[in-house]
Amino acid sequence: ELKVEQNPLFLSMQEGKNYTIYCNYSTTSDRLYWYRQDPGKSLESLFVLLSNGAVKQEGRLMASLDTKARLSTLHITAAVHDLSATYFCAAETSGSRLTFGEGTQLTVNP
Amino acid sequence: SAVISQKPSRDICQRGTSLTIQCQVDSQVTMMFWYRQQPGQSLTLIATANQGSEATYESGFVIDKFPISRPNLTFSTLTVSNMSPEDSSIYLCSVEESRAPTFRYEQYFGPGTRLTVT
Repeated sequence: ELKVEQNPLFLSMQEGKNYTIYCNYSTTSDRLYWYRQDPGKSLESLFVLLSNGAVKQEGRLMASLDTKARLSTLHITAAVHDLSATYFCAAETSGSRLTFGEGTQLTVNP
Repeated sequence: SAVISQKPSRDICQRGTSLTIQCQVDSQVTMMFWYRQQPGQSLTLIATANQGSEATYESGFVIDKFPISRPNLTFSTLTVSNMSPEDSSIYLCSVEESRAPTFRYEQYFGPGTRLTVT
């Protein structure tokens, strides 16, 4: 059974600082997703990572994947308040089924 | 890119009743999924709904409690039956489709249905 663990679960950052969210998964996965969820809203797709060594960047967010270590990271550069949200990673298995991590609740303070 | 809509967006229901949630996509998709997000929690897959076949349920979810229909490639329903307060959650449908600019298959989520059972 695939298990996905994120850490930290809660992250309070100052604006302008950098930080990394970690996502570990327990068995081989076809794809690794990162989603953002704002309070009361649905999930917004941020990144999908397909292969070992994949790196994707969008604005202040950069995601990477190490399939050998079964680890994905979401790096936040020079955080701004607008990045405050909950971030989920999800690993995909057969049949395109997603198993989600617990989520990281990010708060960026002025 | 396809637009995913869900109805209702929210509802408050009494214990013991049932609610049917609709998911509509404006393009044809093969794979549709139903997820549950309990308050303050992560998402859990309930079932995979493919057109022309019975839904495939994940461990801990059964058809009697969560019957699913998938009559065509753009529509699916999830019914939450004989509800209890523990069923209070957000229910989300998702689809797998390819979108510009990558045109790789990815999963996208509908807006969700917020259900409160009293």
